Amino acid sequence: EAQVTQNPRYLITVTGKKLTVTCSQNMNHEYMSWYRQDPGLGLRQIYYSMNVEVTDKGDVPEGYKVSRKEKRNFPLILESPSPNQTSLYFCASAEQFRGTATNEKLFFGSGTQLSVL
Amino acid sequence: QKEVEQDPGPLSVPEGAIVSLNCTYSNSAFQYFMWYRQYSRKGPELLMYTYSSGNKEDGRFTAQVDKSSKYISLFIRDSQPSDSATYLCAMTPHGGFKTIFGAGTRLFVKA
Repeated sequence: EAQVTQNPRYLITVTGKKLTVTCSQNMNHEYMSWYRQDPGLGLRQIYYSMNVEVTDKGDVPEGYKVSRKEKRNFPLILESPSPNQTSLYFCASAEQFRGTATNEKLFFGSGTQLSVL
Repeated sequence: QKEVEQDPGPLSVPEGAIVSLNCTYSNSAFQYFMWYRQYSRKGPELLMYTYSSGNKEDGRFTAQVDKSSKYISLFIRDSQPSDSATYLCAMTPHGGFKTIFGAGTRLFVKA
């Protein structure tokens, strides 16, 4: 089954304790992206990756890191989490993303609810 | 001002009603317009996709884009309780590398 898998689904942590949220897709997609979803603000892009070893900042990258060493994986790293990073996080992938509307359907994971105390 | 504005609702309608969901936007570079549906505790899934201005119909769903007014709509005919979800509009500029999402409208369809 084609899917984007995120882990964990729920995570409670404390301020300053490094954490990683994993994301994996099995569709051989070039493009992957991380979003956070907050009430009233919708989905905001954190980082995206056009392909392996190519990453770039989205709209809200502060406090986050990413890496794309393999095509299928795109982990999100919070080096020193803070309470304002409490949010619902989504990983998404697309076959490609060049702003030409070809195969740019985004497939989303089921989300990771993060609480930073 | 946000690039994409969407009324968060909630919108509550009886089963069988016609539902109209809307978004406005400010960036005239947007060329590709999408509607995603998000059920509770799930990730969004693409529902409708439209390029530039015009209408697109898929079963009970119709998407409309009016670029002159910077206004997009999603109509749901004969709404069902299973349509209860949050609907997010989204748009991408031609040649752009990211999609901008609206805040989402929560829809409740009562049986």
